[in-house]
Amino acid sequence: DQQVKQNSPSLSVQEGRISILNCDYTNSMFDYFLWYKKYPAEGPTFLISISSIKDKNEDGRFTVFLNKSAKHLSLHIVPSQPGDSAVYFCAASAGNNNDMRFGAGTRLTVKP
Amino acid sequence: NAGVTQTPKFQVLKTGQSMTLQCAQDMNHNSMYWYRQDPGMGLRLIYYSASEGTTDKGEVPNGYNVSRLNKREFSLRLESAAPSQTSVYFCASSRGHSNTGELFFGEGSRLTVL
Repeated sequence: DQQVKQNSPSLSVQEGRISILNCDYTNSMFDYFLWYKKYPAEGPTFLISISSIKDKNEDGRFTVFLNKSAKHLSLHIVPSQPGDSAVYFCAASAGNNNDMRFGAGTRLTVKP
Repeated sequence: NAGVTQTPKFQVLKTGQSMTLQCAQDMNHNSMYWYRQDPGMGLRLIYYSASEGTTDKGEVPNGYNVSRLNKREFSLRLESAAPSQTSVYFCASSRGHSNTGELFFGEGSRLTVL
């Protein structure tokens, strides 16, 4: 069962505009959420995270929003740049559990 | 600064053959993980090791074995490869004993089982 879902396999935006990537989860025990970015032929790299005690975390152009009641989180990239073109994975974990669950990923393309 | 290093990067096996994927990290991390990535499935945890000397099953452990050789190294073994194990395998590590921290991934190992 996929406990973390990214329902949009792909997203295309224009350079300079906002990119919004969405993620839903089903396990109410998840209390820590992360976004990873992956370029072709490379491993995923950590982008930004948020604890369940917060509803927003910002790091430069990247902001993650968490809506616990809806079991939904989103990643906003403003402004989007061509170098942001990659696959973005949403991930979640529960407390000290090492079993971090990943979504299927969303391929973002930022057009110049 | 190598980070997480996996070998081999590519491997083709015949059904029934065995092989071991090697992983080493130089960040003095306590926890290490093996994931597989399949189209439309994201990354799924195969096994993890929260600390040296311990290993635990993840979401999809069947058909695999692991060894935490020391703090640096964590290997994944396929005893009798099957076509369903065709995938890209990622090793990862993290600092703490819990998983509330970022994972550092290797570049991946692409395995094809014919």
